[in-house]
Amino acid sequence: SYVLTQPPSVSVAPGKTARITCGGDNIGSYSVHWYQQRLGQAPVLVIYDDSDRPSGIPERFSGSNSGNTATLTISRVEVGDEADYYCQVWDSSTDHYVFGAGTKVTVL
Amino acid sequence: EVQLVESGGGLVQPGDSLRLSCAASGFTFTDYWMTWVRQAPGKGLEWVANIRQDGSEKYYVDAVKGRFTISRDNAKNSLSLQMNSLGAEDTAVYYCAKIYYSGAWPHFDYWGQGTLVTVSS
Repeated sequence: SYVLTQPPSVSVAPGKTARITCGGDNIGSYSVHWYQQRLGQAPVLVIYDDSDRPSGIPERFSGSNSGNTATLTISRVEVGDEADYYCQVWDSSTDHYVFGAGTKVTVL
Repeated sequence: EVQLVESGGGLVQPGDSLRLSCAASGFTFTDYWMTWVRQAPGKGLEWVANIRQDGSEKYYVDAVKGRFTISRDNAKNSLSLQMNSLGAEDTAVYYCAKIYYSGAWPHFDYWGQGTLVTVSS
């Protein structure tokens, strides 16, 4: 089955830029989605189709995907961005969904 | 406003069964695939199962295949997950989510708040 690899944690100072990677074999051929999960809350979609933002998600959140790595970038990080972030793809050959293990973003 | 409200969680013993429900509102339920995702305590998200709009196609993660059954009642805008032969490894918060296809690629655009299932003797 398809595997997505994320770093367990990323630390960033307020106002700086956080980059969260999601690695997978030829992940650039997939559409990657990102979810934010604050402590004790349900996940929220923040990026879909590699780089599109749902309505209500700040422009500070952006995404890219190429080769073997997809990246979620959070610019001008705020304390409220502290959360776990998960990447996800759909494996069309099995109609199964795959999540990365998640990255905990800590705002210092 | 899209709302997904799960119910039916609780404490059960190993080997027991449990049925989860998800009440959907704020969108045309019959237009969308739906899914269940779970999260064990302190762990990441795990996709569990999904179901086509008319219920004709269902897919499961291998860990629950043969034990769990996803279903929907389109007349009641309701999604269900029948869980049998529960084990400690099934202990998790279970979320229902709506699946949206942007072009050919689906993602989960709305999630419920989840319901906790605890399997313990």
